[in-house]
Amino acid sequence: QSVLTQPPSASGTPGQMVNISCSGSSSNIGSNTVNWYQQLPGTAPKLLIYSNYHRPSGVPDRFSGSKSGTSASLAISGLQSEDEADYYCAAWDDSLNGHVVFGGGTKVTVL
Amino acid sequence: QVQLVQSGVEVKKPGASVKVSCKASGYTFISDGITWVRQAPGQGLEWMGWISGYNGDTNYAQKFQGRLIMTTDTSTTTAYLELGSLTSDDTAVYYCARAPFSSGAYYDYWGQGTLVTVSS
Repeated sequence: QSVLTQPPSASGTPGQMVNISCSGSSSNIGSNTVNWYQQLPGTAPKLLIYSNYHRPSGVPDRFSGSKSGTSASLAISGLQSEDEADYYCAAWDDSLNGHVVFGGGTKVTVL
Repeated sequence: QVQLVQSGVEVKKPGASVKVSCKASGYTFISDGITWVRQAPGQGLEWMGWISGYNGDTNYAQKFQGRLIMTTDTSTTTAYLELGSLTSDDTAVYYCARAPFSSGAYYDYWGQGTLVTVSS
């Protein structure tokens, strides 16, 4: 049971928009920034969004992030076949002397 | 360019310990920390802890307290994770990642992962 809650799966056809939610609490998302990671099959995670909505260099602007209260979301617009991957949200949690919590991950399938 | 290169596959028996290395290059090792994240087969990501590349300060996830040791060797710019009292639940891919901040979940470069299998 992950501290941050994500839907296990999402899907869309090429060109569509997909949204992934990430729900937390006051000790994590409610008081800290959210980062998103993309993990392609058989590879290490890759930083996709940091500090709620910033994109690292090289990440297409089809990916966008937002945060409101104790929830965050990742949107993928203009879905492409190469976006088929697992997506994880992550945040610092102020409890227990501070630690990082991840969402359980969302598998995005391009139909 | 920043690179994190991890040691190879490990197979251990229950009760044993494992030590995984993470060789960093392409940046100033003592300026940033290293975090360790693991992923059990078919499961999600699990944060294990963080170590400072500057002074070796650590922050371990509570569930690993007592059997986890993270260290660094600044002379070789290498970070190490040692996990003891292994059980089958510790079978996972272990990743190191550059962690510029002691708090937060910002990890911009990752190692390729090290598969640790615990089996009798």
